Order: sequence, then C-alpha cells, then structure tokens
Amino acid sequence: GAVVSQHPSWVICKSGTSVKIECRSLDFQATTMFWYRQFPKQSLMLMATSNEGSKATYEQGVEKDKFLINHASLTLSTLTVTSAHPEDSSFYICSAGGLAETQYFGPGTRLLVL
Amino acid sequence: KQEVTQIPAALSVPEGENLVLNCSFTDSAIYNLQWFRQDPGKGLTSLLLIQSSQREQTSGRLNASLDKSSGRSTLYIAASQPGDSATYLCAGEEDSSYKLIFGSGTRLLVRP
Repeated sequence: GAVVSQHPSWVICKSGTSVKIECRSLDFQATTMFWYRQFPKQSLMLMATSNEGSKATYEQGVEKDKFLINHASLTLSTLTVTSAHPEDSSFYICSAGGLAETQYFGPGTRLLVL
Repeated sequence: KQEVTQIPAALSVPEGENLVLNCSFTDSAIYNLQWFRQDPGKGLTSLLLIQSSQREQTSGRLNASLDKSSGRSTLYIAASQPGDSATYLCAGEEDSSYKLIFGSGTRLLVRP
C-alpha cells in the first residue's frame, strides 16, 4: 500500500529556534497534502492544506507566518515551525491523498520545545 | 461547519466482548466517513472507509455503518482482543477535497 514518511520522528529544540518537518509520499504522487496537530489526549486538528506549486490554505486560527508550508514537489511537503515556543510542543502528522479517495497518514513527528 | 463527536470517550471491556463505538456528525452532507486506529504516540491506520453512496463496510472483525440522514456512524468490533486496545477516531470528509474533520476519539482498553 501507499506509504507516507515523516522526518524527523521526534525533535527537541530550544525556544526561539525554527524546526522543519518533512512529509514524503514514497510510492505515489500527491498534489495535496495535509498537516495536522494533535495535543495530548486530543484529536487531530487540521492546520493547513498543502497544494503542490501553490500557496497553502490555512485553517482559521493557524498563523501562516509561524507555520510555513512548502510543497515543492509531488512527493514532498515541509512544515517549518518558526520561532518555536513551548506551547508549540505537539504531535504533528501529515497525510497525503491517494487513490480511492483515501488519505495515507505519516507516522507523526513529536516536537518538544524547551 | 461540520462537527464530529465520538461517544464514549473511553471504554474498558473484557476480552471477547463485542462492542460498538459511536460517531455523530452535524452536517448530513458528509461525503465520506473513515474510521482510524491510533496507537499511543503513533500515526493513524485507516480501518474502514465508507463512501458517500455506501451504508457499511466490513473488514475482518470490524464493521462500520453510515447513516447520513441521522448523522451517525458506528464501528462494531466483534470478539475483542487485547491487541485491539488503541484510540479509535472517526473522520468525515466534507466534500471531495480530502479534507477530514476528526472526532475526539474513543480510547479502548481490552482487558485480558
């Protein structure tokens, strides 16, 4: 089946630094990828829709200047958390649309900002 | 705006029991509905996808139904096993855009 990978799987950084998370579709092309955030014991909240070759679409309440999304190719989308703060600590999951209208999810990236 | 709710939030059952997880949504114009499994600290595994024209899907011991008119979906797990312990999430797709709205999940514990 279709595989989506994320890198890194976990990252610890100091407050004020920027962190880049990669999402790759390994065996299929995805014109659209999605970025979700999940806080402990809560469900996934959609942050933004990443479209290849165009600007991302952000959900209400998500700062586009803080969460930079780049979808430069049909197999790679990146999420950069700029000037990260402790409240940005969360589990970030990406997904990519595949055939049969099914999304395939990455394994997630756990971010801890100290 | 579509909202998805799951009941119960947590469930603990003895091994072998049949169980039902509930998912409700506010907008009956839902396109597709998916059930996912999430293990602690892990990503999501898609269990069942019910497309807009379908009413149910089955995979092994799992059966999911969709009633768009009443805004409900259920996930039935037969003969539960300890390995079924996980968080189960339902998610509705509002249109053919692949954009999913997730419920808050049901944390299932199956006791040996």
